[in-house]
Amino acid sequence: SAVISQKPSRDICQRGTSLTIQCQVDSQVTMMFWYRQQPGQSLTLIATANQGSEATYESGFVIDKFPISRPNLTFSTLTVSNMSPEDSSIYLCSVLHQVISSGEAFFGQGTRLTVV
Amino acid sequence: EDKVVQSPLSLVVHEGDTVTLNCSYEVTNFRSLLWYKQEKKAPTFLFMLTSSGIEKKSGRLSSILDKKELFSILNITATQTGDSAVYLCAARASNAGGTSYGKLTFGQGTILTVHP
Repeated sequence: SAVISQKPSRDICQRGTSLTIQCQVDSQVTMMFWYRQQPGQSLTLIATANQGSEATYESGFVIDKFPISRPNLTFSTLTVSNMSPEDSSIYLCSVLHQVISSGEAFFGQGTRLTVV
Repeated sequence: EDKVVQSPLSLVVHEGDTVTLNCSYEVTNFRSLLWYKQEKKAPTFLFMLTSSGIEKKSGRLSSILDKKELFSILNITATQTGDSAVYLCAARASNAGGTSYGKLTFGQGTILTVHP
């Protein structure tokens, strides 16, 4: 499995501001994903972070609100822009070793975001 | 739209009991079914199932997949208080070409509480 470091682990932010979450993996991975887990809900995929190109967003999520970068195979960032209280969630980075795994996805420790 | 449904949504048992958690799925280009345990923020990987009828086992936990009925179960025997968590089921699709891993669709989760 991969060791995934995600930070910050938690933050309390003012509405209207932006927060960037970082995800660092200890080995080169093929696929990186960003999920959101709203309070009491399950995980929803926000987007697939593509190395060197624009992320692939799921229905209901847009680049202006959730810009994503992936400059190399081990690092990605998710920004939550112009935050509102509805953005209060846990945000999770997930990785997949397409070559050496059979499809298991592993998760970072998560970022608990509270918007006030 | 891909869909994963778990039942029950919550379960309260006493230590030593055996529990069965259910997961049904409707996923286009289904590839595999994964189970995760979520205690705080980060889901931890338990099992991945790709073939029908083959039980996967790890200690007191076991899981099996029925691809005809589009169903999986997770069994936990001799439950302990440390088993208290949210158990998530997720179905993975292949991409349109069938050559790569598609997105994970998660169920709502089952909240398991084990009392001493």
